[in-house]
Amino acid sequence: QSVLTQPPSASGTPGQRVTISCSGSSSNMGSNYVHWYQQLPGTAPKLLIYRNNQRPSGVPDRFSGSKSGTAASLAISGLRSEDEADYYCAAWDDSLSGVVFGGGTKLTVL
Amino acid sequence: QVQLVQSGAEVKKPGASVKVSCKASGYTFTSYDINWVRQATGQGLEWMGWMNPNSGNAGYAQRFQGRVTMTRNTSISTAYMELSSLRSEDTAVYYCASAIGIAADGTSYYFDYWGQGTLVTVSS
Repeated sequence: QSVLTQPPSASGTPGQRVTISCSGSSSNMGSNYVHWYQQLPGTAPKLLIYRNNQRPSGVPDRFSGSKSGTAASLAISGLRSEDEADYYCAAWDDSLSGVVFGGGTKLTVL
Repeated sequence: QVQLVQSGAEVKKPGASVKVSCKASGYTFTSYDINWVRQATGQGLEWMGWMNPNSGNAGYAQRFQGRVTMTRNTSISTAYMELSSLRSEDTAVYYCASAIGIAADGTSYYFDYWGQGTLVTVSS
């Protein structure tokens, strides 16, 4: 059981916009930034969004993040086949004094 | 360019220990924490702990307390994660990752670079 809650799966067709939700509590997302990681099949995770809505250099602007209170979401617009991956949200948890992850959302491009 | 290169796959028997290394290059090793995250086959990411290469200080997830030790050798820019009393449930890919932020203040603490992963298999 993960501390942060994500839907296990999401899907969309090429060109569509999809969103992935992440919910937490006051001790993690309520007081700290949320970050998102993309894990392509068979590879290590990669930083996708940091500090709720910031994109690292090289991440297309099709990816965007937002946060309100203890809920966050990742949006992917203009969906492409190469976006098919697992997506994880993460945050620091003040009560646990450590990083907590969501269970991950498997995105399928139909 | 920043790289984190991990040691190769390991096969261990239950009760044994494993030590995985993570060699950093392309940046000042002592400037950023190294964290360890593991992933069992088909499962999600699980954070294990952090280690500050400058001070050697470390913090561990509660479930690994007493079983995990994170250390470093600054002369060769390498971090290590040792897990003892292995059981079959410890079979997983173990990743190291460099962190932006300060663990003592986790407000903004995230992983910008990851190693390629090391598969540890625990089997009798």
